[in-house]
Amino acid sequence: GEDVEQSLFLSVREGDSSVINCTYTDSSSTYLYWYKQEPGAGLQLLTYIFSNMDMKQDQRLTVLLNKKDKHLSLRIADTQTGDSAIYFCAERNSGNTPLVFGKGTRLSVIA
Amino acid sequence: ETGVTQSPTHLIKTRGQQVTLRCSSQSGHNTVSWYQQALGQGPQFIFQYYREEENGRGNFPPRFSGLQFPNYSSELNVNALELDDSALYLCASSPEPTGHQETQYFGPGTRLLVL
Repeated sequence: GEDVEQSLFLSVREGDSSVINCTYTDSSSTYLYWYKQEPGAGLQLLTYIFSNMDMKQDQRLTVLLNKKDKHLSLRIADTQTGDSAIYFCAERNSGNTPLVFGKGTRLSVIA
Repeated sequence: ETGVTQSPTHLIKTRGQQVTLRCSSQSGHNTVSWYQQALGQGPQFIFQYYREEENGRGNFPPRFSGLQFPNYSSELNVNALELDDSALYLCASSPEPTGHQETQYFGPGTRLLVL
């Protein structure tokens, strides 16, 4: 079945860049997403990328997609303490299929 | 903040009991999806409702059931609760079931503890 893998923890210093990595197994994934979850809260969609793209930039966020290796990354520039949260990678095929999530990467930002 | 609301925010039940969780979708959205997020895990798809009919189901037993009402709000019912049902239950609404996920908004979740 489909599977999405992420490293569980990442710790960075305030002001540095954070890079969160994700690999997925479903070669027919069409949409790939990054969600943020703060303590006690639901999921906030941060950004997304279509499988026919290899990069997308949105303010401090840069998403890179290597479709050949099925590898997705999220780079957060100038990481702030408010970026401390769990980040989920998710994928779905085209059509009416549900999101498949990774287990999440807990980002800790040290002041 | 999205327009998706869930109630209650927290709930404690004992094994064998039944529970009903509620979700009010964003205005204009006719599709509601439910996810279960166990501690330390990513959300897992339970099922989706579109225009009051179930429109897709994940790998969950029949004791997980749902409803969608004419105003597109939704309920998740779980019978014969087990300890492993302890989780955060998230609902998400979207305008159409096949729409791009960018327009799927998640609620804050209901945290269920089964003792």
